Amino acid sequence: AQSVTQPDIHITVSEGASLELRCNYSYGATPYLFWYVQSPGQGLQLLLKYFSGDTLVQGIKGFEAEFKRSQSSFNLRKPSVHWSDAAEYFCAVASGTYKYIFGTGTRLKVLA
Amino acid sequence: DAGVIQSPRHEVTEMGQEVTLRCKPISGHDYLFWYRQTMMRGLELLIYFNNNVPIDDSGMPEDRFSAKMPNASFSTLKIQPSEPRDSAVYFCASSLGGGERGYTFGSGTRLTVV
Repeated sequence: AQSVTQPDIHITVSEGASLELRCNYSYGATPYLFWYVQSPGQGLQLLLKYFSGDTLVQGIKGFEAEFKRSQSSFNLRKPSVHWSDAAEYFCAVASGTYKYIFGTGTRLKVLA
Repeated sequence: DAGVIQSPRHEVTEMGQEVTLRCKPISGHDYLFWYRQTMMRGLELLIYFNNNVPIDDSGMPEDRFSAKMPNASFSTLKIQPSEPRDSAVYFCASSLGGGERGYTFGSGTRLTVV
């Protein structure tokens, strides 16, 4: 069965530091992979997506993610975190039936 | 475009009452999804529509839940009768061409059943 694992429930980084949020998936075929961000009281906003091709994808707000098939991972990165990046981040995989499977989320706290 | 619009933003109701949540998708999008978010279960897909037709409602928890999409610009999620365990944030999302393009989410309706 398909699944998505985000091993880190909470992450705290200092403003200006680099960030990496982990995501591992289980899926039989080549998946469609996504990262979404949710600010408090808001819906989810799409940061980036991967379908095929270049395994390093660029997204909005300076985020990027790298697809590693051998590790079944799709980790999200940002070289320098801003205080406004504090939010909850969700990794998701879309199955062929267009149903998303979301991870449980990673809550990011940014220290000034 | 104003994005996906959900109403109300907050709803507090008493157990046993009927609750109706509303969603206006982005114009031109042909898929609409209803999700529920709770601390315990995370984000759960309840039902999705394609061109106003329900495609998969296997995530609807019980017969107390029903969803309709009478036209391309409006959908409702109804709970009758409501129970305290239905308390959650309910999101509507829409997309063009299905999930592989990414969804646009509404801001959600926070439902509290007392």
